[in-house]
Parts: sequence; structure tokens; C-alpha cells
Amino acid sequence: TQLLEQSPQFLSIQEGENLTVYCNSSSVFSSLQWYRQEPGEGPVLLVTVVTGGEVKKLKRLTFQFGDARKDSSLHITAAQPGDTGLYLCAGEGGNNRLAFGKGNQVVVIP
Amino acid sequence: SAVISQKPSRDICQRGTSLTIQCQVDSQVTMMFWYRQQPGQSLTLIATANQGSEATYESGFVIDKFPISRPNLTFSTLTVSNMSPEDSSIYLCSVRGGAVGYTFGSGTRLTVV
Repeated sequence: TQLLEQSPQFLSIQEGENLTVYCNSSSVFSSLQWYRQEPGEGPVLLVTVVTGGEVKKLKRLTFQFGDARKDSSLHITAAQPGDTGLYLCAGEGGNNRLAFGKGNQVVVIP
Repeated sequence: SAVISQKPSRDICQRGTSLTIQCQVDSQVTMMFWYRQQPGQSLTLIATANQGSEATYESGFVIDKFPISRPNLTFSTLTVSNMSPEDSSIYLCSVRGGAVGYTFGSGTRLTVV
């Protein structure tokens, strides 16, 4: 059973368009983290959200943590080719262990 | 945040052999984590390595298959033993980067033929 479900698994859009990807779980997490991974590299942390209902912005990226701390979304405004990558969400439980979703593969076409 | 140097970055190995992956961190850390990332799958935690004690393995992973060393607070190795094609994967080490998240090595892409 997958602890964290990410959708859609794959998304291809044109440069300049907006997109939203989702991370859903039936479990409550103390924090939820978003990473971006490019081919041949390890995941790089983008943001950590801790409080239910929290919204964080990182330039054109907006991250939201659900009120119940079980789900999250990532919205990218005016996507650029440099946004291409695998976006991974990870929930942290009380034992310092991270549970990862399978990722959202985003391709931004110039 | 910490910087991790992981090597090798990739290798192609014969079945039945073993490969040791190294991770060097530029600062002292209590816990280091080893993950496996299979194609199309999540990152799966293999084990947590603490300095001075045996590693703690997750369900489905055993020390005989994935022995880990943690000789000091900046270094760890993971060995993939008696490899089979099913072990083909990306292996990643990670450390906690303060209170806000984790830092990962660049990964080792292993292909077993």
C-alpha cells in the first residue's frame, strides 16, 4: 500500500502555462516536504510545510498543506523549462522516517 | 545545509559480485540514511546508520545483503552483496539538514548484468 499518492504521475505542458500537482495520504504527518529531482541527481529540498493550512511561496511555486496535515499541493505559475523534473513529496512521521510518494514527473516544453 | 559526496555515481556489475557505495558529509551528523529508488517507484528507506552502533534496517532489508559501516560522524558505506539483476536501482544516502528537511547525495546508479 502506497502511503503517499501523487497525481498526476506525468504532466507535460507548454512554457508559460500553470500547473498543479497533488500529494495525498490517509496518514497525518508532522511535516511534509517537497523535493525536485533531476536525472542523475539526488532529490533537492524545495520546501517543508508544518502547520495545517499553511501556504508557502518560493518564487513561482506555491505549496499548500491541507488543514488535516494529510495532503499537499504544488502550484507552478508560468512554468519554465527549468521547472522540468520529478517532484517528490515526503511525509515525516514521529520517528524521523520519511515516506515518499512516487513523484510527479513534470515536463515543460519550450 | 550539509554537502554530501557520494561515489561511485554509476556502475555496471556482474551478478554474484558486491559493490560498496561511499558517502562523505562535510559536517558531523548523528544519523545517515540509505535509500533505494527503483524505476517508477518511491524512494524506499533501507536503513539508518548511527555512528558507534549497528545500523537499523527497515522491513524487507537485511544486514547480510546490505551491510553498512559508519566509522565516524562524517562517513558511511553501503554494500550491495551477492547482486542480482533485481538489485539494479539508484542508491542514495541522506542526512538531516537541520530542522527543515534532508539533504541527499547525488545517487549511485547500479546496473547488474
